[in-house]
Amino acid sequence: SQQGEEDPQALSIQEGENATMNCSYKTSINNLQWYRQNSGRGLVHLILIRSNEREKHSGRLRVTLDTSKKSSSLLITASRAADTASYFCATDGNTDKLIFGTGTRLQVFP
Amino acid sequence: NAGVTQTPKFRVLKTGQSMTLLCAQDMNHEYMYWYRQDPGMGLRLIHYSVGEGTTAKGEVPDGYNVSRLKKQNFLLGLESAAPSQTSVYFCASRPRGTDTQYFGPGTRLTVL
Repeated sequence: SQQGEEDPQALSIQEGENATMNCSYKTSINNLQWYRQNSGRGLVHLILIRSNEREKHSGRLRVTLDTSKKSSSLLITASRAADTASYFCATDGNTDKLIFGTGTRLQVFP
Repeated sequence: NAGVTQTPKFRVLKTGQSMTLLCAQDMNHEYMYWYRQDPGMGLRLIHYSVGEGTTAKGEVPDGYNVSRLKKQNFLLGLESAAPSQTSVYFCASRPRGTDTQYFGPGTRLTVL
């Protein structure tokens, strides 16, 4: 399987703390994306970072990409209870398809 | 716009029965995808389509067939359901020239 790995599998934090999750992938890429999934719902796109970028910000989200290590991280700053969800990275593998990681379950306690 | 919709939302089948899952999008997207999501496995691609009338196999195509007769619809068929096909199925679409996929709400299928 070419499926990526995410670390940690689960993360529990208090509101106001920062949450960091990591993604490792196996193939060369054009870009890497992060998606969020609330329980029982479909995935929602959060942010995309291209292979020639090292860092990208969007609101409280910060994504880094290290193509030499085939890894990425997603940082959510000042987390809120509403951030409770599963987070998935996805890579394109230079194709028309996406390869998803196994996901990180984030629980933010009020 | 409704975005990506999936029908039905829930279904219970007996082993050997057949069914079709419907995905519809009203965004005029060229690309459409069918995934399955199992606990601890993330999403795995079953089949996809790069345009009306075309389909291609993904990572886990066995036991499934698809058709894309109209640009807005992508059908996923199970000819003879097996318990191993118990899963949550997601459809997604995206326009040509971008990489972001838009997901439907999912279909929860149980095969007894």
